[in-house]
Amino acid sequence: DGGITQSPKYLFRKEGQNVTLSCEQNLNHDAMYWYRQDPGQGLRLIYYSQIVNDFQKGDIAEGYSVSREKKESFPLTVTSAQKNPTAFYLCASSRALRVGEQFFGPGTRLTVL
Amino acid sequence: EDKVVQSPLSLVVHEGDTVTLNCSYEVTNFRSLLWYKQEKKAPTFLFMLTSSGIEKKSGRLSSILDKKELFSILNITATQTGDSAVYLCAASGGTSYGKLTFGQGTILTVHP
Repeated sequence: DGGITQSPKYLFRKEGQNVTLSCEQNLNHDAMYWYRQDPGQGLRLIYYSQIVNDFQKGDIAEGYSVSREKKESFPLTVTSAQKNPTAFYLCASSRALRVGEQFFGPGTRLTVL
Repeated sequence: EDKVVQSPLSLVVHEGDTVTLNCSYEVTNFRSLLWYKQEKKAPTFLFMLTSSGIEKKSGRLSSILDKKELFSILNITATQTGDSAVYLCAASGGTSYGKLTFGQGTILTVHP
């Protein structure tokens, strides 16, 4: 079955620690995205990538970093510089940057203790 | 700044009711309007609308786009408890190609 997987489902971290959220897709999509969702707010774009070894900042990139070394994988690192990292993180992909709808993974809920 | 606004923010109905969810947008270089249904985890795709005035239907759900007035509606007829979810509207376009600007979502609760 084609789809997007994210791991872990739940993640707890202490303040000051960096954590990396995994996102893998086997849809053969070129474009991948990271969103953050907070209660009462829509999804906000953190980073996106249209092709391997290329990525661009979204609206709220401060305190986050990404890499795109493989087409299938787009990990997100939440650094200690992110002031309020507790949120629900969603990864998505689409055939290309301007083409078609985005498909979403199941999400990772990050809680900072 | 690109903006998408949904209304109402929450809605409580009984099974069998018909609901209309609203989405207005202000997005530069607008390309399409998308609706998603989110039940606790991954949003699942419902519709993508690019042309004004053409209704898209899937079972009891339908949606239409008005590009002149910059809004879209999502209708759900004969609602069921399984329709309870957050409905997200997103507009594609903006200064970055492929970017989706999401609304806050409408929380729909359907009681038996």
